[in-house]
Amino acid sequence: SYVLTQPPSVSVAPGKTATIACGGNNIGGKIVHWYQQKPGQAPVLVIFYDSDRPSGIPERFSGSKSGNTATLTISGVEAGDEADYYCQVWDSSSDHRVFGGGTKLTVL
Amino acid sequence: QVQLVQSGAEVKKPGASVKVSCKASGYIFISYDINWVRQATGQGLEWMGWMNPTNDNSGYAQKFQGRITLTSNPSISTAYMELSSLTSDDTAVYFCARLGVGGVIAPFDDWGQGTQVTVS
Repeated sequence: SYVLTQPPSVSVAPGKTATIACGGNNIGGKIVHWYQQKPGQAPVLVIFYDSDRPSGIPERFSGSKSGNTATLTISGVEAGDEADYYCQVWDSSSDHRVFGGGTKLTVL
Repeated sequence: QVQLVQSGAEVKKPGASVKVSCKASGYIFISYDINWVRQATGQGLEWMGWMNPTNDNSGYAQKFQGRITLTSNPSISTAYMELSSLTSDDTAVYFCARLGVGGVIAPFDDWGQGTQVTVS
């Protein structure tokens, strides 16, 4: 089955830039979505179709892909960005939707 | 605005079944697939399956094949997830999520609030 790999944790100081990686075989050929989940809440879509932002999501959130890695970038990190972040794709081989293991973003 | 409202917390004995509901509002229910995702305490998100409310077509993650049934009642804009032969490993929060525009590659653009299922 298809596997997406994320670092368990990323730490960043307020105002700096956080980058969260999501690795997967041939991820360049797949569409990647990103979700933010705060404790006790449902996930929220923050980036879809690799790099689009839903309405209401700040421009500080951006997405990109290169090679076998997709990246979520949060610039000018704020305390309110502290959350778990998950990447997600649809795997055509299995017709399954797959989530990465999640990355806990800590704002120092 | 789109809302997905799920049924309340459940406590079940091992070997029992659970059925969680997800009532949709703010959009045309039959126009979007509903997916189900679960999350054990302190763990990541795990996709379980999808269903199409128009025709009740569905697809399930291999891990849950034979134990999960996804259905809907379009007349009340409600989707259901039933999981049988429960074990303690099924203790988790269960989310319904709407699949957005774009077919199979679309994102989950709206989520229910989650339903805690405890097997004990």
